[in-house]
Amino acid sequence: TQLLEQSPQFLSIQEGENLTVYCNSSSVFSSLQWYRQEPGEGPVLLVTVVTGGEVKKLKRLTFQFGDARKDSSLHITAAQTGDTGLYLCAGARNFNKFYFGSGTKLNVKP
Amino acid sequence: EAQVTQNPRYLITVTGKKLTVTCSQNMNHEYMSWYRQDPGLGLRQIYYSMNVEVTDKGDVPEGYKVSRKEKRNFPLILESPSPNQTSLYFCASAPGQGDTQYFGPGTRLTVL
Repeated sequence: TQLLEQSPQFLSIQEGENLTVYCNSSSVFSSLQWYRQEPGEGPVLLVTVVTGGEVKKLKRLTFQFGDARKDSSLHITAAQTGDTGLYLCAGARNFNKFYFGSGTKLNVKP
Repeated sequence: EAQVTQNPRYLITVTGKKLTVTCSQNMNHEYMSWYRQDPGLGLRQIYYSMNVEVTDKGDVPEGYKVSRKEKRNFPLILESPSPNQTSLYFCASAPGQGDTQYFGPGTRLTVL
């Protein structure tokens, strides 16, 4: 059983649409990270959220950490084909041990 | 160029034949970690190290060993590989705990 449940697993949308990816757990984390991974490469960090209720924006991407620090969401506004990739959330315990979600494979069609 | 390197990138071996996957970083990072990635399971942490001679178990340490004798290197050792260790392995490093992790390019291991 995954400590972090990520949904949806797959998402195929048209360019210009909005989408939200969810990352849920019954456990509390010291921080929550979001990564993006391209085929054949390692994950690349997008953002780290630390405080409950925190919202961070990275251009068209908005990340939110739940008040209780158990869940998080990633919202993309007006998706572009360049957003295509695998999105992973990862919760940290004591900032050292990381638990990853199973990932959301996003395909943005032109 | 700042980077995390792993060798080999691809390896096919047989059950029981000891192997080592090397990981090296040139950023003077204190924190290093090993993960395996399997379809539908995301990444799972195997071991991590907060500094030289300081290592600890991650979520799935069984069947693996690590060592951290120098700051830049963090090899992953499989003493007796089994087919269920067939996976894509990633090494990562970070300046310190809680900092941004930089991942290597991955090592695809197949154990027959």
